[in-house]
Amino acid sequence: GQQVMQIPQYQHVQEGEDFTTYCNSSTTLSNIQWYKQRPGGHPVFLIQLVKSGEVKKQKRLTFQFGEAKKNSSLHITATQTTDVGTYFCGMNTGFQKLVFGTGTRLLVSP
Amino acid sequence: EAGVVQSPRYKIIEKKQPVAFWCNPISGHNTLYWYLQNLGQGPELLIRYENEEAVDDSQLPKDRFSAERLKGVDSTLKIQPAELGDSAVYLCASSLGSGLSYNEQFFGPGTRLTVL
Repeated sequence: GQQVMQIPQYQHVQEGEDFTTYCNSSTTLSNIQWYKQRPGGHPVFLIQLVKSGEVKKQKRLTFQFGEAKKNSSLHITATQTTDVGTYFCGMNTGFQKLVFGTGTRLLVSP
Repeated sequence: EAGVVQSPRYKIIEKKQPVAFWCNPISGHNTLYWYLQNLGQGPELLIRYENEEAVDDSQLPKDRFSAERLKGVDSTLKIQPAELGDSAVYLCASSLGSGLSYNEQFFGPGTRLTVL
């Protein structure tokens, strides 16, 4: 099936360090969603971005949608051990179908 | 409010055997999705239902996979016969309606299938 690479695939940080994952599409997106999956768990919705250049914040998490609506990023400020998990972007090209990225696995050491 | 329910949570079968997974979406959610997730990968859509109609089954391997959502509520995904490569987690998700501009998907816990 179709998937899009997220970068990085894996990142290990010390607690308190920042973390960023990027999602890139070759086509213009209708919207993009971000999900978090804890180890052994299932994906949980975090946020949806719709507008060009949109920036949304949830506590220490900052989500951005690119001006061209082809890329997005998730930035975590001052990571905590509770941030451990895999972060997936879900790209909607307008056909009511989400194509998930390959995910970025985050490991946070205390 | 109950979330998406899936059963069984784990299933171990021998190759060439049939297997079925069941999903009950969140009450009132018209759209139901079946995804396959391999280790270290993101979910890949198998089929999407709008009520009882399968509106996107382009990724469903129809030679061995089948699905139904007869009354537009719960759904069953079947594999017959299973192959070694089918070992994965099968996730069910639901949403209010894919035609909405805001379309958060709620995932169930998944069924981990192991084919020996």
